[in-house]
Amino acid sequence: DAGITQSPRYKITETGRQVTLMCHQTWSHSYMFWYRQDLGHGLRLIYYSAAADITDKGEVPDGYVVSRSKTENFPLTLESATRSQTSVYFCASSEFGTGDFHEQYFGPGTRLTVT
Amino acid sequence: KNQVEQSPQSLIILEGKNCTLQCNYTVSPFSNLRWYKQDTGRGPVSLTIMTFSENTKSNGRYTATLDADTKQSSLHITASQLSDSASYICVVSARTQIYGNNRLAFGKGNQVVVIP
Repeated sequence: DAGITQSPRYKITETGRQVTLMCHQTWSHSYMFWYRQDLGHGLRLIYYSAAADITDKGEVPDGYVVSRSKTENFPLTLESATRSQTSVYFCASSEFGTGDFHEQYFGPGTRLTVT
Repeated sequence: KNQVEQSPQSLIILEGKNCTLQCNYTVSPFSNLRWYKQDTGRGPVSLTIMTFSENTKSNGRYTATLDADTKQSSLHITASQLSDSASYICVVSARTQIYGNNRLAFGKGNQVVVIP
Protein backbone atom coordinates (compact mmCIF):
# COMPACT_ATOMS: atom_id res chain seq x y z
CA ASP A 1 0.00 0.00 0.00
CA ALA A 2 2.16 2.88 -1.29
CA GLY A 3 -0.32 5.65 -0.48
CA ILE A 4 1.18 8.99 -1.34
CA THR A 5 4.82 9.38 -2.28
CA GLN A 6 7.06 12.30 -3.12
CA SER A 7 10.32 12.48 -5.01
CA PRO A 8 12.99 13.45 -4.58
CA ARG A 9 13.07 13.53 -0.78
CA TYR A 10 15.99 15.95 -0.78
CA LYS A 11 17.11 18.37 -3.46
CA ILE A 12 19.77 21.05 -3.66
CA THR A 13 19.65 23.40 -6.61
CA GLU A 14 21.04 26.75 -7.67
CA THR A 15 19.23 30.04 -8.03
CA GLY A 16 17.60 30.38 -11.44
CA ARG A 17 17.33 26.68 -12.21
CA GLN A 18 14.08 24.91 -12.94
CA VAL A 19 13.11 22.23 -10.46
CA THR A 20 10.21 19.79 -10.52
CA LEU A 21 8.94 18.02 -7.44
CA MET A 22 6.90 14.90 -8.02
CA CYS A 23 3.87 13.64 -6.14
CA HIS A 24 2.12 10.33 -6.75
CA GLN A 25 -0.88 8.79 -4.99
CA THR A 26 -2.33 5.32 -5.40
CA TRP A 27 -5.82 5.93 -3.94
CA SER A 28 -7.35 7.65 -7.01
CA HIS A 29 -8.24 10.62 -4.81
CA SER A 30 -9.79 13.49 -6.72
CA TYR A 31 -8.12 16.29 -4.78
CA MET A 32 -4.41 16.91 -4.50
CA PHE A 33 -2.57 19.75 -2.81
CA TRP A 34 0.88 21.29 -2.54
CA TYR A 35 2.00 23.00 0.66
CA ARG A 36 5.21 24.54 1.86
CA GLN A 37 6.34 24.49 5.47
CA ASP A 38 8.79 27.07 6.81
CA LEU A 39 10.02 27.85 10.30
CA GLY A 40 7.78 30.41 11.91
CA HIS A 41 4.88 29.66 9.58
CA GLY A 42 2.14 27.11 9.50
CA LEU A 43 1.71 25.03 6.38
CA ARG A 44 0.77 27.28 3.45
CA LEU A 45 -1.15 26.16 0.41
CA ILE A 46 0.58 26.74 -2.93
CA TYR A 47 -1.79 25.09 -5.42
CA TYR A 48 -4.47 22.49 -5.39
CA SER A 49 -6.29 20.38 -7.92
CA ALA A 50 -9.87 19.11 -7.76
CA ALA A 51 -9.43 16.63 -10.62
CA ALA A 52 -7.27 15.94 -13.65
CA ASP A 53 -6.80 19.12 -15.68
CA ILE A 54 -8.41 21.27 -12.94
CA THR A 55 -6.02 23.32 -10.83
CA ASP A 56 -6.30 26.50 -8.79
CA LYS A 57 -4.09 28.85 -6.82
CA GLY A 58 -3.68 28.69 -3.10
CA GLU A 59 -2.25 31.21 -0.67
CA VAL A 60 1.32 31.47 -2.05
CA PRO A 61 1.34 30.49 -5.77
CA ASP A 62 3.88 32.99 -7.13
CA GLY A 63 6.92 31.34 -8.71
CA TYR A 64 5.28 27.92 -8.97
CA VAL A 65 3.55 26.03 -11.77
CA VAL A 66 1.48 22.85 -11.50
CA SER A 67 -0.14 20.44 -13.89
CA ARG A 68 -2.32 17.39 -13.52
CA SER A 69 -2.70 15.33 -16.65
CA LYS A 70 -3.34 12.12 -14.67
CA THR A 71 -5.36 11.71 -11.48
CA GLU A 72 -2.50 10.04 -9.63
CA ASN A 73 0.24 12.59 -10.36
CA PHE A 74 0.56 16.23 -9.36
CA PRO A 75 3.99 17.70 -10.14
CA LEU A 76 5.09 21.07 -8.81
CA THR A 77 7.58 23.10 -10.86
CA LEU A 78 9.69 26.00 -9.73
CA GLU A 79 10.39 27.71 -13.03
CA SER A 80 13.33 29.78 -11.81
CA ALA A 81 14.23 28.85 -8.25
CA THR A 82 14.96 31.57 -5.71
CA ARG A 83 16.48 31.33 -2.24
CA SER A 84 13.12 32.25 -0.72
CA GLN A 85 11.76 28.99 -2.09
CA THR A 86 14.06 27.00 0.19
CA SER A 87 11.52 25.04 2.19
CA VAL A 88 9.99 21.67 2.91
CA TYR A 89 7.26 20.86 0.41
CA PHE A 90 4.38 18.55 1.21
CA CYS A 91 1.96 17.01 -1.19
CA ALA A 92 -1.42 15.86 0.11
CA SER A 93 -4.48 14.16 -1.29
CA SER A 94 -8.12 13.88 -0.32
CA GLU A 95 -11.00 11.92 -1.76
CA PHE A 96 -13.55 14.73 -1.54
CA GLY A 97 -11.55 17.86 -0.85
CA THR A 98 -11.31 19.58 2.52
CA GLY A 99 -14.96 19.64 3.56
CA ASP A 100 -16.44 18.18 6.73
CA PHE A 101 -14.75 14.96 7.83
CA HIS A 102 -12.85 14.71 4.60
CA GLU A 103 -9.44 13.45 5.56
CA GLN A 104 -6.35 14.88 3.98
CA TYR A 105 -3.36 12.54 3.66
CA PHE A 106 0.13 13.98 3.47
CA GLY A 107 3.22 12.69 1.74
CA PRO A 108 6.60 12.46 3.47
CA GLY A 109 7.83 15.80 2.13
CA THR A 110 10.64 17.08 -0.08
CA ARG A 111 13.33 19.23 1.50
CA LEU A 112 14.47 21.73 -1.12
CA THR A 113 17.49 23.98 -0.70
CA VAL A 114 18.18 26.75 -3.21
CA THR A 115 21.74 28.07 -3.06
CA LYS B 1 -2.07 37.94 12.00
CA ASN B 2 -2.32 34.18 12.02
CA GLN B 3 -5.89 33.04 12.43
CA VAL B 4 -4.80 29.98 14.42
CA GLU B 5 -2.61 30.48 17.48
CA GLN B 6 -1.11 27.57 19.39
CA SER B 7 0.50 27.50 22.80
CA PRO B 8 2.88 26.66 24.23
CA GLN B 9 5.24 26.85 21.28
CA SER B 10 7.29 24.02 22.78
CA LEU B 11 7.40 21.95 25.92
CA ILE B 12 9.38 19.15 27.48
CA ILE B 13 7.62 16.52 29.56
CA LEU B 14 8.66 13.41 31.43
CA GLU B 15 7.60 10.06 30.08
CA GLY B 16 4.38 8.93 31.70
CA LYS B 17 3.14 12.45 32.46
CA ASN B 18 0.15 14.18 30.91
CA CYS B 19 0.17 17.42 28.95
CA THR B 20 -2.32 19.76 27.31
CA LEU B 21 -1.82 21.80 24.17
CA GLN B 22 -3.93 24.86 23.36
CA CYS B 23 -5.33 26.21 20.11
CA ASN B 24 -7.20 29.51 19.74
CA TYR B 25 -8.67 30.53 16.43
CA THR B 26 -10.52 33.38 14.75
CA VAL B 27 -11.41 31.55 11.53
CA SER B 28 -14.97 31.93 10.32
CA PRO B 29 -17.37 30.65 9.22
CA PHE B 30 -16.25 27.62 11.18
CA SER B 31 -16.58 24.19 9.61
CA ASN B 32 -14.35 21.85 11.60
CA LEU B 33 -11.15 21.66 13.59
CA ARG B 34 -8.42 19.10 13.12
CA TRP B 35 -5.38 18.07 15.09
CA TYR B 36 -2.43 16.55 13.29
CA LYS B 37 0.72 14.90 14.60
CA GLN B 38 3.90 15.51 12.65
CA ASP B 39 6.96 13.43 13.46
CA THR B 40 10.33 14.90 12.57
CA GLY B 41 11.05 14.45 8.87
CA ARG B 42 7.55 13.21 8.07
CA GLY B 43 4.24 14.56 6.85
CA PRO B 44 1.38 15.40 9.23
CA VAL B 45 -0.97 12.58 10.22
CA SER B 46 -4.55 13.24 11.31
CA LEU B 47 -5.47 12.59 14.95
CA THR B 48 -9.00 14.00 15.19
CA ILE B 49 -11.58 16.01 13.26
CA MET B 50 -14.38 17.80 15.16
CA THR B 51 -17.34 19.90 14.06
CA PHE B 52 -18.91 22.65 16.17
CA SER B 53 -21.40 20.21 17.71
CA GLU B 54 -18.68 18.00 19.18
CA ASN B 55 -17.16 18.91 22.55
CA THR B 56 -14.66 16.11 22.84
CA LYS B 57 -13.13 13.37 20.75
CA SER B 58 -10.58 10.73 21.61
CA ASN B 59 -8.05 8.77 19.65
CA GLY B 60 -6.25 6.40 22.00
CA ARG B 61 -4.28 8.48 24.50
CA TYR B 62 -5.12 11.68 22.64
CA THR B 63 -8.25 13.61 23.62
CA ALA B 64 -9.29 16.78 21.82
CA THR B 65 -11.82 19.26 23.14
CA LEU B 66 -13.59 22.06 21.33
CA ASP B 67 -15.43 25.11 22.62
CA ALA B 68 -16.90 26.73 19.53
CA ASP B 69 -18.29 29.63 21.57
CA THR B 70 -14.89 30.76 22.81
CA LYS B 71 -13.13 29.44 19.69
CA GLN B 72 -10.71 27.33 21.67
CA SER B 73 -9.53 23.77 21.38
CA SER B 74 -7.15 21.66 23.39
CA LEU B 75 -5.32 18.41 22.82
CA HIS B 76 -4.62 16.34 25.92
CA ILE B 77 -1.98 13.63 25.85
CA THR B 78 -2.34 11.03 28.59
CA ALA B 79 0.53 8.96 29.98
CA SER B 80 3.00 10.30 27.44
CA GLN B 81 5.39 7.99 25.63
CA LEU B 82 8.68 8.69 23.91
CA SER B 83 6.90 8.21 20.57
CA ASP B 84 4.69 11.21 21.39
CA SER B 85 7.66 13.49 20.69
CA ALA B 86 6.44 15.44 17.68
CA SER B 87 4.87 18.67 16.51
CA TYR B 88 1.10 18.89 16.99
CA ILE B 89 -0.66 21.08 14.47
CA CYS B 90 -4.09 22.61 14.92
CA VAL B 91 -5.95 23.19 11.64
CA VAL B 92 -9.23 25.07 11.39
CA SER B 93 -11.45 24.64 8.37
CA ALA B 94 -13.54 27.56 7.13
CA ARG B 95 -16.63 26.77 5.15
CA THR B 96 -16.75 28.18 1.64
CA GLN B 97 -19.39 28.20 -1.06
CA ILE B 98 -17.41 25.78 -3.18
CA TYR B 99 -18.23 22.21 -2.22
CA GLY B 100 -15.26 20.23 -1.07
CA ASN B 101 -13.02 23.25 -0.95
CA ASN B 102 -12.96 24.51 2.62
CA ARG B 103 -10.14 26.92 3.35
CA LEU B 104 -7.73 25.43 5.88
CA ALA B 105 -5.86 27.65 8.33
CA PHE B 106 -2.83 25.97 9.90
CA GLY B 107 -1.31 26.77 13.26
CA LYS B 108 2.46 26.79 13.65
CA GLY B 109 2.40 23.74 15.87
CA ASN B 110 3.21 22.76 19.45
CA GLN B 111 6.60 21.06 19.64
CA VAL B 112 6.49 18.33 22.29
CA VAL B 113 9.57 16.50 23.54
CA VAL B 114 9.09 13.54 25.85
CA ILE B 115 12.15 12.57 27.88
CA PRO B 116 12.74 9.34 29.80
